[in-house]
Amino acid sequence: GENVEQHPSTLSVQEGDSAVIKCTYSDSASNYFPWYKQELGKRPQLIIDIRSNVGEKKDQRIAVTLNKTAKHFSLHITETQPEDSAVYFCAARGGDKIIFGKGTRLHILP
Amino acid sequence: NAGVTQTPKFQVLKTGQSMTLQCAQDMNHEYMSWYRQDPGMGLRLIHYSVGAGITDQGEVPNGYNVSRSTTEDFPLRLLSAAPSQTSVYFCASKNGPQETQYFGPGTRLLVL
Repeated sequence: GENVEQHPSTLSVQEGDSAVIKCTYSDSASNYFPWYKQELGKRPQLIIDIRSNVGEKKDQRIAVTLNKTAKHFSLHITETQPEDSAVYFCAARGGDKIIFGKGTRLHILP
Repeated sequence: NAGVTQTPKFQVLKTGQSMTLQCAQDMNHEYMSWYRQDPGMGLRLIHYSVGAGITDQGEVPNGYNVSRSTTEDFPLRLLSAAPSQTSVYFCASKNGPQETQYFGPGTRLLVL
């Protein structure tokens, strides 16, 4: 089955700097890769997703890249703001299942 | 639309007790899933369903049962609660395999 590895587990960046979170997946048949943001005490919410027919997708300060050959995908947040502090999860679709990484806790330092 | 709803919000059980966590969605989504969230472990898939009458196991199914008699409801049953099942449980639904998955607010379960 699908296995998703996520790094780093914790990331601290200065406000205004960029943050990058990386994930790898095991199932070469996976074709859908969503990213979720979870604020403290709240439910996970989708922030961006990418399908395997594209290599990059952007939405304002957030971008995701996908390297199918290496089975890597990454989340990039530019010009970080205090409200970006949260836990971020990558995920991959394996068959009918969405399998998640273990999460990255992002701290935005003033 | 209420989206995905879960009840109860919080529950305390004693070891060996059984209970059902309720999940409902009003978006006519075919796909529904149950996840548990533990510190440092991310979201782990317990069971999922791709339509009424169809269920399948996820990553950590032991100790849990599910059924899907209607499109709207997807209850999760703990047969004999154990302290290892202390967790936050999230139900989620989506309209298709590559569609946005929406999460419920979660149920916090404590097993003593």
